[in-house]
Amino acid sequence: DQQVKQNSPSLSVQEGRISILNCDYTNSMFDYFLWYKKYPAEGPTFLISISSIKDKNEDGRFTVFLNKSAKHLSLHIVPSQPGDSAVYFCAGNAGNNRKLIWGLGTSLAVNP
Amino acid sequence: DTEVTQTPKHLVMGMTNKKSLKCEQHMGHRAMYWYKQKAKKPPELMFVYSYEKLSINESVPSRFSPECPNSSLLNLHLHALQPEDSALYLCASSLRGSPLHFGNGTRLTVT
Repeated sequence: DQQVKQNSPSLSVQEGRISILNCDYTNSMFDYFLWYKKYPAEGPTFLISISSIKDKNEDGRFTVFLNKSAKHLSLHIVPSQPGDSAVYFCAGNAGNNRKLIWGLGTSLAVNP
Repeated sequence: DTEVTQTPKHLVMGMTNKKSLKCEQHMGHRAMYWYKQKAKKPPELMFVYSYEKLSINESVPSRFSPECPNSSLLNLHLHALQPEDSALYLCASSLRGSPLHFGNGTRLTVT
């Protein structure tokens, strides 16, 4: 059972435009969500997180939106840059335990 | 630069070999993790150490043996691996309630 779903395996966006990466979850116990970015041959890098008590968190070009009633979150990157080309993983956590539940990832390509 | 250092970067081993992966962090994090990642898949949790004690073992086969000698070091001892164990092995660390910091991994190939 996939508790965190990233239904778009890939996304292609023009440089300067907005990238929107989506994530759905089924576990209503999740109270914390994270986005990680991964380049080939490197470990995942933490990008941004959001607590379930908020509906938006912003950090520079990155904004994460959480819709609890829809069990949906999205990562917005604006403006997109070629260096943002990577695989983006959404992950959920329940009760501050040590185990993250990961989506399958979305491969973002930002074209110059 | 990553603050979690993993060695070696690449490792090729035969099915009868014994080898170890090493991980080091000096951020004062008291939780350390081993993950395994296959191509086009998310990281898969293997083990978690909290305050140098094993707190999570995700039913990992005994041919993988973790060790946490102190709060800064984490090892993964490998013995009698199978070709399907070939993967990127990631170490991570964290403070409680904070995001994981990952190393760049060891690319393991079992022949």
